[in-house]
Amino acid sequence: DTTVKQNPRYKLARVGKPVNLICSQTMNHDTMYWYQKKPNQAPKLLLFYYDKILNREADTFEKFQSSRPNNSFCSLYIGSAGLEYSAMYLCASSRDTGQLYFGEGSKLTVL
Amino acid sequence: SQLAEENPWALSVHEGESVTVNCSYKTSITALQWYRQKSGEGPAQLILIRSNEREKRNGRLRATLDTSSQSSSLSITATRCEDTAVYFCATHTGYQNFYFGKGTSLTVIP
Repeated sequence: DTTVKQNPRYKLARVGKPVNLICSQTMNHDTMYWYQKKPNQAPKLLLFYYDKILNREADTFEKFQSSRPNNSFCSLYIGSAGLEYSAMYLCASSRDTGQLYFGEGSKLTVL
Repeated sequence: SQLAEENPWALSVHEGESVTVNCSYKTSITALQWYRQKSGEGPAQLILIRSNEREKRNGRLRATLDTSSQSSSLSITATRCEDTAVYFCATHTGYQNFYFGKGTSLTVIP
């Protein structure tokens, strides 16, 4: 099974409210990623976990938090959503083959 | 700034025709990957081509890599309607980081 699952698929949030997105995979992949995708823009790498080590991109360091309680699960947390956070959030996992396996995405709309 | 960029931004072809999408990148890589994203789905890998390879095939797909010009191409022969999607190239620098371009939107007309 090469499925990466994301929940929720759609999320509506008010400005200033927190948002928590969940990702799971059962492939025993050591690395899990979060990308932000806006229309007509490249998927933007936000952060990734290699095993238990969190790596965050410099320009998104303070905007997103994440946790990985076990190998299979990874969350993306926004403490206070702003309008600019409206986007598709893509979770992916990989092992040392270098191939990314993506979920279907979580579409966040901030109002 | 973007580390990878596909061109053209969009193109359309008639079913059965061949099409090529190009990618230019700005960093030293260990591999370059091509992904396809269909509407309502996450991206799916098509081809991974390592920096010491010049060409890779996968069925109707053919990818090339020229590390001296930092460019790659993805060709699709005998296109089908189900090839309609956004095509991304992604650079892999050898760490866990993968950086994508904005993608090329391909429409295959029946």
